[in-house]
Amino acid sequence: NAGVTQTPKFQVLKTGQSMTLQCAQDMNHEYMSWYRQDPGMGLRLIHYSVGAGITDQGEVPNGYNVSRSTTEDFPLRLLSAAPSQTSVYFCASSTMALGAQYFGPGTRLTVL
Amino acid sequence: DAKTTQPPSMDCAEGRAANLPCNHSTISGNEYVYWYRQIHSQGPQYIIHGLKNNETNEMASLIITEDRKSSTLILPHATLRDTAVYYCIVRPAGNQFYFGTGTSLTVIP
Repeated sequence: NAGVTQTPKFQVLKTGQSMTLQCAQDMNHEYMSWYRQDPGMGLRLIHYSVGAGITDQGEVPNGYNVSRSTTEDFPLRLLSAAPSQTSVYFCASSTMALGAQYFGPGTRLTVL
Repeated sequence: DAKTTQPPSMDCAEGRAANLPCNHSTISGNEYVYWYRQIHSQGPQYIIHGLKNNETNEMASLIITEDRKSSTLILPHATLRDTAVYYCIVRPAGNQFYFGTGTSLTVIP
């Protein structure tokens, strides 16, 4: 049982490049979400999903796309990277029954 | 959505109880209070949650006031490994978690 896994751990992009951050969970959780954390700040919700085929926007969705084709995977796509997207990205999952969220180890992204 | 207010930082002596306060004066009747912590730059770790009764698990105790406008997380015997940022979150019915900036707890030897 690996919990929530994220790849890559580190990534450097140039402005305008696109990329996909991967997130997977093996706990059969319905709810998955993506957060970003800027230095010295709390986490801010980007997008979330309550099940396969269902996604919704969080607090800061602009510049990001998500899809949920399976229960296990919830990738986050950066369409055209900007320096303002330099951040640490965390993926999380939980059951829908008001349970605890389990977080992945994070992806540290730098956009030059 | 209910907002939370926490002190930005606190110190606690090793072996003593750490009491971390949180104000959530606009909380609704069906909203739960959750606590998470983040050690250094790791992913946040779930600690405990509750609705209106006090809760206890192997990590901590959660005390919620009768009017539910505030709560306190208690780490009964703080260790150096409890040094972290602690987040108090009120979870609305829409399944979205909103993290604030939390309380940075430093456990002092």
